[in-house]
Amino acid sequence: AQSVTQLGSHVSVSEGALVLLRCNYSSSVPPYLFWYVQYPNQGLQLLLKYTSAATLVKGINGFEAEFKKSETSFHLTKPSAHMSDAAEYFCAVSDHRTGTASKLTFGTGTRLQVTL
Amino acid sequence: NAGVTQTPKFQVLKTGQSMTLQCAQDMNHEYMSWYRQDPGMGLRLIHYSVGAGITDQGEVPNGYNVSRSTTEDFPLRLLSAAPSQTSVYFCASSSPAGQANSPLHFGNGTRLTVT
Repeated sequence: AQSVTQLGSHVSVSEGALVLLRCNYSSSVPPYLFWYVQYPNQGLQLLLKYTSAATLVKGINGFEAEFKKSETSFHLTKPSAHMSDAAEYFCAVSDHRTGTASKLTFGTGTRLQVTL
Repeated sequence: NAGVTQTPKFQVLKTGQSMTLQCAQDMNHEYMSWYRQDPGMGLRLIHYSVGAGITDQGEVPNGYNVSRSTTEDFPLRLLSAAPSQTSVYFCASSSPAGQANSPLHFGNGTRLTVT
C-alpha cells in the first residue's frame, strides 16, 4: 500500500529564510506526488505535482519540490519565506494503478510558522 | 467561479441524529470524493464516485452513506451520528476520472461536532 510520511508536524522559520518541508513516500510503483497547502478555515489548494516528467517541479508562490527516487523523497522548498506562507502543508501520493483519479493518500501535514 | 461548494459550514449534532452534508460542483467533474480531516491524521478518504450512479468506499466508510444521482452533487449522509465523527469534512472533485495525476479541487469544508 502507498503511504507518505511528513517529518515534523510543526516547522518555524524566520521571514526571508529557506523553507524546507520533508516528505518521504512508499509505493511499489512509480508514484504521482502532490503538495497541497491549506490556509486557515479553507480547503486545500494544489501547490505542485510530480507526474514522472521533470524531477524538479515548480509550483505556485515560489515553491518547488524535487523527486528523488533513490531517497524516496519529495521535499518542498522555497528560498525565502514570506509571512503569507504560514499555513499547513500536505504531501500526498496517488495510487495510479487503479486508474482512478485522485484516490490520494495524504500525509499528516506540517504546519509552517513564519516569524519576523 | 463557484468551484466546489459545501453546506453547511458548521453543524452541531447530538449522538444518534442523522444529517446530510451537501456538496456541489459546477466544473462538470466526473470524480468526486469526501475526506475527513482530524488533527495529526491528515485527510482520510471516506467515499468517492467516478460518475453519476457510481460510488465506492474509501479508507473510512463506516457510518457514512453516499449517492451520486447527478454529476454536480455528491451528498454525504451520517445515519446515526457518533462523537467519533466529530471532524472537518471536505468534498473534492477532479477531472477526468481516469487520470490519477488530476489534481483535486476542494471545498472549504464543513466543521461537524457531535455531542
